[in-house]
Amino acid sequence: EPEVTQTPSHQVTQMGQEVILRCVPISNHLYFYWYRQILGQKVEFLVSFYNNEISEKSEIFDDQFSVERPDGSNFTLKIRSTKLEDSAMYFCASSLREEQPQHFGDGTRLSIL
Amino acid sequence: AQRVTQPEKLLSVFKGAPVELKCNYSYSGSPELFWYVQYSRQRLQLLLRHISRESIKGFTADLNKGETSFHLKKPFAQEEDSAMYYCALYYNAGKSTFGDGTTLTVKP
Repeated sequence: EPEVTQTPSHQVTQMGQEVILRCVPISNHLYFYWYRQILGQKVEFLVSFYNNEISEKSEIFDDQFSVERPDGSNFTLKIRSTKLEDSAMYFCASSLREEQPQHFGDGTRLSIL
Repeated sequence: AQRVTQPEKLLSVFKGAPVELKCNYSYSGSPELFWYVQYSRQRLQLLLRHISRESIKGFTADLNKGETSFHLKKPFAQEEDSAMYYCALYYNAGKSTFGDGTTLTVKP
């Protein structure tokens, strides 16, 4: 069964540095999402992406964050000037259509030192 | 504002007992509700969505608009049901709000 894959599984970065989290959605899916889960807290929606543009974003997704689909397969989340509070698990998800269930990746654990 | 409430952080039942994981939502529009499950060290997986009205792994969930609830139920819990369960509300173009999650432990 096709899966959403995320790399790396664990990223350790110095505070203030930029980090790029990578995701390969399921190949025929058209809608892409990023979520964040701070340790011990709930899953939080960050952004949805369709047709090469952001369709929705949450209050968390401020100017520090950006998403990109640089080629036909990758979907990236860039976090500029990372802060300690950006430490979390970041999940990528994709769906075939907007109303279809989302398939999640295993997540990338981001640790900011 | 949209909100999903899962009042129980932890829920423990014995194998074979019925289980109900509560979910209440707050949304002025027509809700699209899902249950996700996360087994230990695994990814989030879709368990149920309200419009499909199907039963997955013996679980069912009924949307009650009057009570704004979408509780997840199973008549006979199994040990392999032990996991974290999230109720989620989807709205607009893929925007979502998740509940805090309920950790279900099914004891032998």
